[in-house]
Order: sequence, then C-alpha cells, then structure tokens
Amino acid sequence: SQKIEQNSEALNIQEGKTATLTCNYTNYSPAYLQWYRQDPGRGPVFLLLIRENEKEKRKERLKVTFDTTLKQSLFHITASQPADSATYLCALGGKLQFGAGTQVVVTP
Amino acid sequence: NAGVTQTPKFRVLKTGQSMTLLCAQDMNHEYMYWYRQDPGMGLRLIHYSVGEGTTAKGEVPDGYNVSRLKKQNFLLGLESAAPSQTSVYFCASSWGLAGAVSSSYEQYFGPGTRLTVT
Repeated sequence: SQKIEQNSEALNIQEGKTATLTCNYTNYSPAYLQWYRQDPGRGPVFLLLIRENEKEKRKERLKVTFDTTLKQSLFHITASQPADSATYLCALGGKLQFGAGTQVVVTP
Repeated sequence: NAGVTQTPKFRVLKTGQSMTLLCAQDMNHEYMYWYRQDPGMGLRLIHYSVGEGTTAKGEVPDGYNVSRLKKQNFLLGLESAAPSQTSVYFCASSWGLAGAVSSSYEQYFGPGTRLTVT
C-alpha cells in the first residue's frame, strides 16, 4: 500500500535560519505533490504544488524540490519567522493522500 | 466570498446516534471531499464527489454516507455513531473537470468539525 512519511518530531529552529522538511513516499508514483500549512484548530491551507517534471518550485521564502528517483520531496522555509510556526503537510496524487505532517516551531 | 463553511463546529454524540455534517462552498468547484484527521495519522479521505449528483468512496468510507444533491453542498452522514468516529472532520473543495477521475488543483479546506462520540 502507499505510504507517506514525514518527520513526526517537531522541528525547532531559530528565527532567520532555514527550516528543511522531508516527505518520503513508497509504493506510489505521483504525477504531482502538494504542500499545505495547518495552524492549530484550523483547516489546511495550500502552499505549493510541484509536478513530476519539475525539479524545484519557489514561492516567496518557500522552496520545494521533488526527486522522483529518491521518492522524496524537500520543503524549505528560508529566513524563517515566528509566524511560520505551524504544521506542514505533504500530499500526493489526484485524491491527495496526506502525510501526518511535521510541526515547525520558530523561536525569536 | 465565504469559501468553504462547515456546520456544526462542535458536536457530542452518544454511541448509536446519527447526525449529518454540512459542507458548503461558494467557489463553484466541481470537486468536494470529506476527510477525518486523527492525531499522528494525518488526513484520511472518507468520501469525495467529482460533480453534482456523484459520490465515491475514499480510503476510510465505512460507517459514513454522503450526498451531493446541489453543487455547492456536500453532506456527510453518520448512521450509527461509534467511539472510533471521534475525530476532527474537514471538508474541502477544488477545481476540476466534472466527472474526471481526479483533480490536480489545490484544495480549499473548511474550518473543521470536532466530533466526540461517547
């Protein structure tokens, strides 16, 4: 069965540093991958979509890479700010199978 | 635009009771989805719809039914609630071609419904 893995441990990072999150998957070859942000008590909010023929996608301070050989996506937040503190979810495929998410905590 | 709204926000049920969760979207999206989110397990797809009058099963459909009588509304029903259905339920919608197998467009989520079954 398809499996999506995100680091379950919270990522604690100092303001101004780059946060890097990983999303690994097995038994699947998605045509695209999406990243969402979720704040406590709220629904996920879409951030970025990257397709299998794209190596990298950027949006402001966010960068996503997609390596279909390694079956892995990396999500970077550069110059992190306390407002970036949230849980970040990756999702694969047409009906979107979600990972459990990684919590990011940015401290001043 | 309100986006995606869900009713109610909170609900407590006793085992065996039934209820309906309502999802409404005002973006004219073809696709609508129901997920449940449990600690450490991420979002799991319950049922979805690729257009008015259509529904399909997702990853965890047992114990739930859905209906999409109007394009803007997607209802999730629990016929006989069980403690295992205690969860946070999210509705989402997205663009896509009506009737297609899937959509690659971003999903817009509602604020969630926190359901407790005792």
